[in-house]
Amino acid sequence: DTAVSQTPKYLVTQMGNDKSIKCEQNLGHDTMYWYKQDSKKFLKIMFSYNNKELIINETVPNRFSPKSPDKAHLNLHINSLELGDSAVYFCASSHSKFNQPQHFGDGTRLSIL
Amino acid sequence: AQKITQTQPGMFVQEKEAVTLDCTYDTSDPSYGLFWYKQPSSGEMIFLIYQGSYDQQNATEGRYSLNFQKARKSANLVISASQLGDSAMYFCAMREGGRGGGNKLTFGTGTQLKVEL
Repeated sequence: DTAVSQTPKYLVTQMGNDKSIKCEQNLGHDTMYWYKQDSKKFLKIMFSYNNKELIINETVPNRFSPKSPDKAHLNLHINSLELGDSAVYFCASSHSKFNQPQHFGDGTRLSIL
Repeated sequence: AQKITQTQPGMFVQEKEAVTLDCTYDTSDPSYGLFWYKQPSSGEMIFLIYQGSYDQQNATEGRYSLNFQKARKSANLVISASQLGDSAMYFCAMREGGRGGGNKLTFGTGTQLKVEL
């Protein structure tokens, strides 16, 4: 199936741990994103990569580090997890053309104990 | 200032009726795009419809249409003939032109729609 897939779907972990979320798209898009959706359902951009180059980094703590090994993959590594990191993290991808919609993965629900 | 405002936190509509979900936006950029997404209770984000700032006609996609009023900076989503499966959270989002905006989407706070029998 053509899609944006992210793993894991659920992540439950202790405060202070380090965790990663993986994202892959097979849509042939050149731009990938990470969004955070908080408990009030508000969605906010975190990072954007175009052809493996970081183009958006929105005031995100440096405990969050994205990595794009190629334009089909964008992973998110989080160090020293805090309670406030609990959220749903969405990966998305699109063509860089202006009118192209972003296609979202199903989200990773991160819960910090 | 909020870039995208959705003033209706919750809406109810009877099955088979039409419903309008409001969205107003704020930008000084002449080039921008407006998107609507649906998020059902299962959590995935589904793209519904797009309107570009230079588009002369209102966008339509099946039962979805956009009431785009550029001078008022509004881009309301109209869902015709509501179905039970339309019950979901609906987000309005904007992409602004120029390198500073990049390709990021700025989202509104969403409207929770419930379709009733």
